[in-house]
Amino acid sequence: AQKVTQAQTEISVVEKEDVTLDCVYETRDTTYYLFWYKQPPSGELVFLIRRNSFDEQNEISGRYSWNFQKSTSSFNFTITASQVVDSAVYFCALSEETGANNLFFGTGTRLTVIP
Amino acid sequence: AAGVIQSPRHLIKEKRETATLKCYPIPRHDTVYWYQQGPGQDPQFLISFYEKMQSDKGSIPDRFSAQQFSDYHSELNMSSLELGDSALYFCASSTFYNEQFFGPGTRLTVL
Repeated sequence: AQKVTQAQTEISVVEKEDVTLDCVYETRDTTYYLFWYKQPPSGELVFLIRRNSFDEQNEISGRYSWNFQKSTSSFNFTITASQVVDSAVYFCALSEETGANNLFFGTGTRLTVIP
Repeated sequence: AAGVIQSPRHLIKEKRETATLKCYPIPRHDTVYWYQQGPGQDPQFLISFYEKMQSDKGSIPDRFSAQQFSDYHSELNMSSLELGDSALYFCASSTFYNEQFFGPGTRLTVL
């Protein structure tokens, strides 16, 4: 069965600090997809990244970067030089090829960036 | 760019009433998903449709039903509402097996 674990329930950092959000997943499928979504206080879910299981190349997008390691079943997310606008709940999610593309979410990490 | 549209954005109902939530996917997206997010919880998958056919079913109560219409919009029908149904209901859309884009959600409050 699939499972996504975000062990960090809440994190607080001071503005301009770097922060890494951890995500560990479990799946029996060999083909799967990993995602990060951001949920700001306004409530919407904002898509950040999708990574397939065959692409372990790390990705950088502006201040965001993602580290995918199949050996440890982890897909961690780092925000560099955090800003107040980064304050949100961040969800890691998994979809399996056999699962009709449905998303299984972790429990989320609430990030608070203090000015 | 066009996004997923959900209506209504807020809905207040009494126990045992019915509710209908609507979702209009991004143009040319053929797949629609419904998720329920309780207070302080992560979103839970309810049901999905691909090309107007149900493609998968998650933790959707028997009191709920959904369908996707010929114009690809979808409706989630909820009957005999209970207090525990109070939640944020998200619709998401995608092209087949690609990333899902979420609507703003419908916040349902059952009194």
